[in-house]
Amino acid sequence: EDQVTQSPEALRLQEGESSSLNCSYTVSGLRGLFWYRQDPGKGPEFLFTLYSAGEEKEKERLKATLTKKESFLHITAPKPEDSATYLCAVIGTGGFKTIFGAGTRLFVKA
Amino acid sequence: EAGVAQSPRYKIIEKRQSVAFWCNPISGHATLYWYQQILGQGPKLLIQFQNNGVVDDSQLPKDRFSAERLKGVDSTLKIQPAKLEDSAVYLCASSSTGTGAGELFFGEGSRLTVL
Repeated sequence: EDQVTQSPEALRLQEGESSSLNCSYTVSGLRGLFWYRQDPGKGPEFLFTLYSAGEEKEKERLKATLTKKESFLHITAPKPEDSATYLCAVIGTGGFKTIFGAGTRLFVKA
Repeated sequence: EAGVAQSPRYKIIEKRQSVAFWCNPISGHATLYWYQQILGQGPKLLIQFQNNGVVDDSQLPKDRFSAERLKGVDSTLKIQPAKLEDSAVYLCASSSTGTGAGELFFGEGSRLTVL
């Protein structure tokens, strides 16, 4: 069964303190790995899609990378407005369902 | 472009009562999803529609939950009777890709509290 595990559950950073969030996945065959951002009281908002190992995507202070077993979301010099829950999701070749991890809650203090 | 619309945003009911949620996807999106998100957890897929046909409902508690997608556009999710453990945010999402291999566009969700 397809599975997604995210770590850490929560991460507290000072403004400007770079770090990484981890997403480990188990799928029969990867069709796509997605990163979403979710603010309190809102629905998830799409950030990136990665399709194959070695692929990287960047957007402002965020950079997502992918290996055969995991993905990292690197946050460079974060700002307080980056505080949110970051969700990782996968679709495997065995089905059509997008499976989400539990997310990492990021807090960035000024 | 208008986003995914959901209503109501908030609903409080007593256990054993019924509730219905409505979703209007982005125009032209063939695939529609209902997810349940319990506090502190990631979204869990309840049901996925392709146009007005069901693609996956394996995790939908069919003894109490039902969903339909009228004419391949709007959708309603109903819970009857509600249990305490149904307290959650119900997220509707839509996608333009037929097999759901693309990004999902989410509504703001409907928060249900069962007392």
